Amino acid sequence: DAGVTQSPTHLIKTRGQQVTLRCSPKSGHDTVSWYQQALGQGPQFIFQYYEEEERQRGNFPDRFSGHQFPNYSSELNVNALLLGDSALYLCASSFTRTGGNEQYFGPGTRLTVT
Amino acid sequence: KQEVTQIPAALSVPEGENLVLNCSFTDSAIYNLQWFRQDPGKGLTSLLLIQSSQREQTSGRLNASLDKSSGRSTLYIAASQPGDSATYLCAVMGDGGSQGNLIFGKGTKLSVKP
Repeated sequence: DAGVTQSPTHLIKTRGQQVTLRCSPKSGHDTVSWYQQALGQGPQFIFQYYEEEERQRGNFPDRFSGHQFPNYSSELNVNALLLGDSALYLCASSFTRTGGNEQYFGPGTRLTVT
Repeated sequence: KQEVTQIPAALSVPEGENLVLNCSFTDSAIYNLQWFRQDPGKGLTSLLLIQSSQREQTSGRLNASLDKSSGRSTLYIAASQPGDSATYLCAVMGDGGSQGNLIFGKGTKLSVKP
């Protein structure tokens, strides 16, 4: 049973560019959440997708947007990259319908903005 | 606003010691609490999930307790091993958990010396 997968593993972008990160949830899961983890900090919630809609959003600007596809996979898009967007981006999946909501995390995408 | 604090920020112990990591949260209206392990530059591995109605959970050498009324959780690691060296993160999910996101502490970096 494949766990949560993310691509790419590493990414280097220039300020002002746009980036798309991808996530495939654990088999059977229907909910995807995205987190940003700066060096030495705990992860911070960006947003959560369920049934192809953004269900909840953290304190992140509109430059951060996302999408969930019918197969439950998800994308995180960041426009107009800033140096401060350099971080580890983590995707987590869970199964809303059963409750409990234990979240399973992927290996992350390391984004470096130069 | 929920805030999660972990003490200590770093801990170094000799192999074989039993140890306790602490987590406190400011709002007792939580749905669940999860403990995670994170190796350097990697994603998060879920260790234990405690629902708000539970007092503790155990898995192997790990035991996590939850005292909702006082806003505290502890992670007890028995007979520590060098392979336990990692950063341990505590995270809470707010009430109304079907739409919840996780709020993390900054973690405790554990080093177990052979």
